Parts: sequence; structure tokens; C-alpha cells
Amino acid sequence: DTGVSQNPRHKITKRGQNVTFRCDPISEHNRLYWYRQTLGQGPEFLTYFQNEAQLEKSRLLSDRFSAERPKGSFSTLEIQRTEQGDSAMYLCASSLRQGATEAFFGQGTRLTVV
Amino acid sequence: AQSVTQPDIHITVSEGASLELRCNYSYGATPYLFWYVQSPGQGLQLLLKYFSGDTLVQGIKGFEAEFKRSQSSFNLRKPSVHWSDAAEYFCAVGGNFGNEKLTFGTGTRLTIIP
Repeated sequence: DTGVSQNPRHKITKRGQNVTFRCDPISEHNRLYWYRQTLGQGPEFLTYFQNEAQLEKSRLLSDRFSAERPKGSFSTLEIQRTEQGDSAMYLCASSLRQGATEAFFGQGTRLTVV
Repeated sequence: AQSVTQPDIHITVSEGASLELRCNYSYGATPYLFWYVQSPGQGLQLLLKYFSGDTLVQGIKGFEAEFKRSQSSFNLRKPSVHWSDAAEYFCAVGGNFGNEKLTFGTGTRLTIIP
């Protein structure tokens, strides 16, 4: 058990470019969550998966955002046509039990859009 | 809708002094409550959680929290802080069955002075 792993840890991109982040959950955790955290704020829920099914999406997840979890293992979060307002820390968490009762968070991917 | 309020943005305490961080929540049913800690540039670490039962819960690193339903509060306490406790602390609500997302407060930044 190596914990939740997120890559890359840091990403700097130019406005308008596409970026993709990866999250590897704790093995056998069937629930996977994405959160976004902007400076000075708490994390905000984006979306969650149970196995490969995406079961809930926040209104924060605009059409430019897409998340996948093929085969119910790792997950990717893609942002198309990045904007400066997308600059944030993107956190992934995984859980084995129902509800986020035992959610373990990764160290996050910090995105800077210039 | 669920929400969390952390009224103190920044708290400074002397090393060895006691600590109390405030958290008030709004939730339509019996809440699941959490305290997380975040060091700069890092992900979130779970300190403790309340689901049911004893309203005083013990966590890691010597922290405890008390659930008070009448006050809709879940304050975090520590009898004697250490310099290594300096970090950002987040209270969160939610996560029980049928409600997979956590709603976080805006956080309290803790500074420890020698």
C-alpha cells in the first residue's frame, strides 16, 4: 500500500492548452474522488467514481473538464483549453467503504496556467 | 445543502499552549464529520472522524474533537501544541451512504510561536 499517487505534482501550461492529470488510487479502493482547491480555500468536490462508473459530477466541472476511470483502476482528469481560472491544486482521493468515510488523499497536482 | 464554517482564518499559539479550532456545520441529517490537516504544498491527512456514538473522538497526533449537535459544532482541540502542528486545518461534513462528497470549510491556518 503506497497511498494515493498523483502525477505530475506540478504543471505549468499556457492558456488554451490541454492538460491531463493522473491519479492512482490505493489498490482495491473502488471509490475515487477528484477535488479542486484554490488558494486560501478548502477543497471543492468535482466528481466521483465507483469502479469505472462516474456517478456524480459537480457543477464546477464545466464542459472543458472530463474525467475517466477505465477498468476501475487509475483515473485521469483532462482540462481542455485551459484558462487562468483553472489554476489550482487538483486533489484525488480514494475510498473502500461506502461514502467518503475513509477517504485517503493524494498529494495533489498543482496547475498553473500562464 | 451542506456547509461548513470555520470562523477563524488564522490562529497563532505558543508552543506548549492549548488549542481549539472552531467548526460549525449545516447538514440535513445526522452528519459525518471530519478534521483534516494540510502542510504547505501537500495533500490532506485525516486527523479524526465522527460518525456516531461517543461525541468525543480521539484522533492522531494527540488531537481530539467534540460533536455538539445542539450547537452544530465539531471543534478540534489539543492540550499542548508542538511546532510541528503548524499547518492548515480543514473541517468537513458529509460522506455517508448516498452522499459521497465531502464539503470542506475554508480552513484555519495555525502558526506556532516558540
